[in-house]
Amino acid sequence: DAGVIQSPRHEVTEMGQEVTLRCKPISGHNSLFWYRQTMMRGLELLIYFNNNVPIDDSGMPEDRFSAKMPNASFSTLKIQPSEPRDSAVYFCASSRMDRALGVEKLFFGSGTQLSVL
Amino acid sequence: AQTVTQSQPEMSVQEAETVTLSCTYDTSENNYYLFWYKQPPSRQMILVIRQEAYKQQNATENRFSVNFQKAAKSFSLKISDSQLGDTAMYFCAFMKQGDSGTYKYIFGTGTRLKVLA
Repeated sequence: DAGVIQSPRHEVTEMGQEVTLRCKPISGHNSLFWYRQTMMRGLELLIYFNNNVPIDDSGMPEDRFSAKMPNASFSTLKIQPSEPRDSAVYFCASSRMDRALGVEKLFFGSGTQLSVL
Repeated sequence: AQTVTQSQPEMSVQEAETVTLSCTYDTSENNYYLFWYKQPPSRQMILVIRQEAYKQQNATENRFSVNFQKAAKSFSLKISDSQLGDTAMYFCAFMKQGDSGTYKYIFGTGTRLKVLA
């Protein structure tokens, strides 16, 4: 199993540009989460999907942020237009029910380090 | 809304000594799960230990153990015989089942632990 795959690993862009972050969850996982990590706020939950449907997007900071999950194997997080304060590490994570333990285990990707200049 | 608080931004400990990381949370739920994740400099997120709220016995995983105080809503992590490889950011996380049968993870701001040689 390749794990949760995120791309790109690093992204440097200029203020005002559109940024698209990509995530491929682990096959068979039915929940997908997008988190943002900063020094001040730690890991913030931005949005999560269950069976490709957005369940809770209350963590999305503003309308400049949008996320989609067109199928079970792909999700995107888009920032348009980007601003310097969006600079952070963005993580994607996926999960499934653990049949033995009865709780969803959360698997993280390696994150995208975004720098907006 | 659930919140998770880690009041120690940074801590250090001498190799082979014991250190305790604090975590408190706020919830009105009775059934939930608590976790500690480790994030080394590689950015990888590693599950260290988990605790089910309905279990009174504190979870233990080798050198890692928790002190779960449900009434006080406290969930501290104790690392015994600290090793240089324990140097990392540690995140406390709360998880509960959502209305749609999904699972939502809320993380704290993290504690950066440095193990000194």
